[in-house]
Amino acid sequence: AQSVTQLDSQVPVFEEAPVELRCNYSSSVSVYLFWYVQYPNQGLQLLLKYLSGSTLVESINGFEAEFNKSQTSFHLRKPSVHISDTAEYFCAVTRMNRDDKIIFGKGTRLHILP
Amino acid sequence: ETGVTQSPTHLIKTRGQQVTLRCSSQSGHNTVSWYQQALGQGPQFIFQYYREEENGRGNFPPRFSGLQFPNYSSELNVNALELDDSALYLCASSNRDHSYNEQFFGPGTRLTVL
Repeated sequence: AQSVTQLDSQVPVFEEAPVELRCNYSSSVSVYLFWYVQYPNQGLQLLLKYLSGSTLVESINGFEAEFNKSQTSFHLRKPSVHISDTAEYFCAVTRMNRDDKIIFGKGTRLHILP
Repeated sequence: ETGVTQSPTHLIKTRGQQVTLRCSSQSGHNTVSWYQQALGQGPQFIFQYYREEENGRGNFPPRFSGLQFPNYSSELNVNALELDDSALYLCASSNRDHSYNEQFFGPGTRLTVL
């Protein structure tokens, strides 16, 4: 079975400061890794994904995440946050080459302070 | 290209009642997955339908049931509603016939059980 642990339920950070949202996973098989973002009162949007290849993946709005197999981590980072980044962020996994369920973490709420 | 849509957006029911939630999949997709997101939690996988057949189920009781229609739209039915069924219900559509099966989420239906 797979599981995802997001170590922080809330992260406050000042605007234009860097941020890291932590994610660790557990799985006995190879997995794909994802970060989803949920803005207030909206559904989930895929922010970025790791399928294979380079362990550093980037999104179009400045976020990046690095897959670390030895530490079973997939932390999300942004060097300078904006007020518009206020949202809930979910780390997730799904079994590689299987078209089934996504396992989500409990989420990290990112608070941007002015 | 139309994205994933869900109806209704909000719903209020009382304990013991039955509810039907609807999901229209994105054009070209043949798979629909349903997730329950309780307040303050990450989404939990309910079940998945592929070409009108159930294709995997999470840890939900049989009073949660579903259908997928020939046009690949889907319904989630919940009988004998309980207070704990109050949640945001998300559907996601995808195409299992592709090598990588990205799931695209709808905006969700917020169900309140009184």
